[in-house]
Amino acid sequence: AQSVTQLGSHVSVSEGALVLLRCNYSSSVPPYLFWYVQYPNQGLQLLLKYTTGATLVKGINGFEAEFKKSETSFHLTKPSAHMSDAAEYFCAVMNTGGFKTIFGAGTRLFVKA
Amino acid sequence: NAGVTQTPKFRVLKTGQSMTLLCAQDMNHEYMYWYRQDPGMGLRLIHYSVGEGTTAKGEVPDGYNVSRLKKQNFLLGLESAAPSQTSVYFCASSTGAGGGKSMNEQFFGPGTRLTVL
Repeated sequence: AQSVTQLGSHVSVSEGALVLLRCNYSSSVPPYLFWYVQYPNQGLQLLLKYTTGATLVKGINGFEAEFKKSETSFHLTKPSAHMSDAAEYFCAVMNTGGFKTIFGAGTRLFVKA
Repeated sequence: NAGVTQTPKFRVLKTGQSMTLLCAQDMNHEYMYWYRQDPGMGLRLIHYSVGEGTTAKGEVPDGYNVSRLKKQNFLLGLESAAPSQTSVYFCASSTGAGGGKSMNEQFFGPGTRLTVL
């Protein structure tokens, strides 16, 4: 069975600091991996995804994530946090060839001025 | 394109009442999903549909029913609401095989905040 673990339900960074949100997954087959962002009172929207090919994927708003198969990780990073990055972030996994997506519990990012 | 829309945005029910949440998408997506979001638990799949006229149970289907009579609409029903069903409900849709660069990505509606007293 697939699962997703996000380390840290809350992360707080200063504006301009590095953002690192951790995600580890469990999957018996090669996975597709996703990061979604949810702003207050809105639905989720896709930040980035890994399906095949290059393991470092770039998304919107300066975010990127690296698929590391040996570590079963897909951590999300951004070099310099902006106040507008404050939101909840969800890591998710899908079986290749499937369509159902398993979501992590979410990490709420706070950005301090 | 409106994307994925949900009706209503907010609702308060008394225990035992019934209601239907409507989801509509204008992207011609094959797959549609209903999730509930509770604090600290992420999104949990209630029911899903792989095409018009088909539905299937997800992770937490008890107390809910769904129907997909038209490809663009996916209805979620609560027959007898309970306080444990207080949650935020999200509908999502995704394209099937051949969906190009959007394949596998789910598109979400804005959510329905339901309170059951």
